[in-house]
Amino acid sequence: NAGVTQTPKFRVLKTGQSMTLLCAQDMNHEYMYWYRQDPGMGLRLIHYSVGEGTTAKGEVPDGYNVSRLKKQNFLLGLESAAPSQTSVYFCASNHMDRAGANVLTFGAGSRLTVL
Amino acid sequence: GIQVEQSPPDLILQEGANSTLRCNFSDSVNNLQWFHQNPWGQLINLFYIPSGTKQNGRLSATTVATERYSLLYISSSQTTDSGVYFCAVGHNTDKLIFGTGTRLQVFP
Repeated sequence: NAGVTQTPKFRVLKTGQSMTLLCAQDMNHEYMYWYRQDPGMGLRLIHYSVGEGTTAKGEVPDGYNVSRLKKQNFLLGLESAAPSQTSVYFCASNHMDRAGANVLTFGAGSRLTVL
Repeated sequence: GIQVEQSPPDLILQEGANSTLRCNFSDSVNNLQWFHQNPWGQLINLFYIPSGTKQNGRLSATTVATERYSLLYISSSQTTDSGVYFCAVGHNTDKLIFGTGTRLQVFP
């Protein structure tokens, strides 16, 4: 049981290049999320998914696209990277445990630098 | 959307001291979680506490939903408690909105 796995862990892009971040979870969770973390700004929600085949916008969706073709995978795409997208990206999945508690579980993060 | 404010932004303690971190939110919620981000960037869920009080070892949390705030208590702090503490709020399992965090540094 690996939990939430993000790839790649580090990436450097040039302005205008495209890339995809992959998030995989092996816990059979319905809900998955992509956040970005910038210094002094906490975590901001980019997009999220409430189940296979569904996606929804979060707080800062512009410049990103997502897909959830399989329940275990949630992909975050940057079609034309900009320096403002330099950040640390976190994927998370959410479940309700036996006690009825919601527990958000995070991946280790992906550090993206756009030059 | 929901606004989340955390205070204080920074906290410096000596080992053994106690501390209280606060999270205020602008709307009613039924999902509130506290997280610790360690110095290596890993985010760990501490509590799910939309209301009431919970304790886990030296940490405890209280949420007063009617007054829209939550408190995280750290007793007998240790250097391993250092990092950033976030609260996140929302409705059910939909969008969880994070505060900007409290950065805690514990010195020996």
